[in-house]
Amino acid sequence: DQQVKQNSPSLSVQEGRISILNCDYTNSMFDYFLWYKKYPAEGPTFLISISSIKDKNEDGRFTVFLNKSAKHLSLHIVPSQPGDSAVYFCAASGDGGGNQGGKLIFGQGTELSVKP
Amino acid sequence: KAGVTQTPRYLIKTRGQQVTLSCSPISGHRSVSWYQQTPGQGLQFLFEYFSETQRNKGNFPGRFSGRQFSNSRSEMNVSTLELGDSALYLCASSAGLHYGYTFGSGTRLTVV
Repeated sequence: DQQVKQNSPSLSVQEGRISILNCDYTNSMFDYFLWYKKYPAEGPTFLISISSIKDKNEDGRFTVFLNKSAKHLSLHIVPSQPGDSAVYFCAASGDGGGNQGGKLIFGQGTELSVKP
Repeated sequence: KAGVTQTPRYLIKTRGQQVTLSCSPISGHRSVSWYQQTPGQGLQFLFEYFSETQRNKGNFPGRFSGRQFSNSRSEMNVSTLELGDSALYLCASSAGLHYGYTFGSGTRLTVV
């Protein structure tokens, strides 16, 4: 039962263009969402997050959009740079049971390749 | 400030043995979580500790256990190792969910 899904295993984008990474979830109790970037042999690096009370959060070139009715979130990277090439994971937290901390449910990841 | 430190970076063990992995969180972070990453299953939550108490637990067998010390350092232990336990084990610490979780570089465990 995969509660967080990233249906695109890979994405290739030209440098300077927009990268859009998508993520769907099934558990309506999730109330906090995060995006991580990961290089091989390293731990994930936190990028940006969004609370379920918002529908957009922006940080520099990174913007996350949340559509709660569709249970969908997306990460936009504008403009894309070759250094952005990595695996991107979305993660969700919060089960409504009061134990809000620590348990992140990750998607399978999308490998982004930004070509010069 | 120093990041999350995991030791050792690499480990090779034989089936049936046990292993202990260590994680030193960022100073001041009281929450420490552990994750297993494998090619087939992705990143899966093992457990989370906060102030020396296990606050959350994932769906792993009892062979996987952990603990947290008063200085917030954490260890996880896997007993009776199986070939399928070969994975990258990641530790993450946080000052609170809204600050995100900072991950260490992981321990690559190979069971032969």
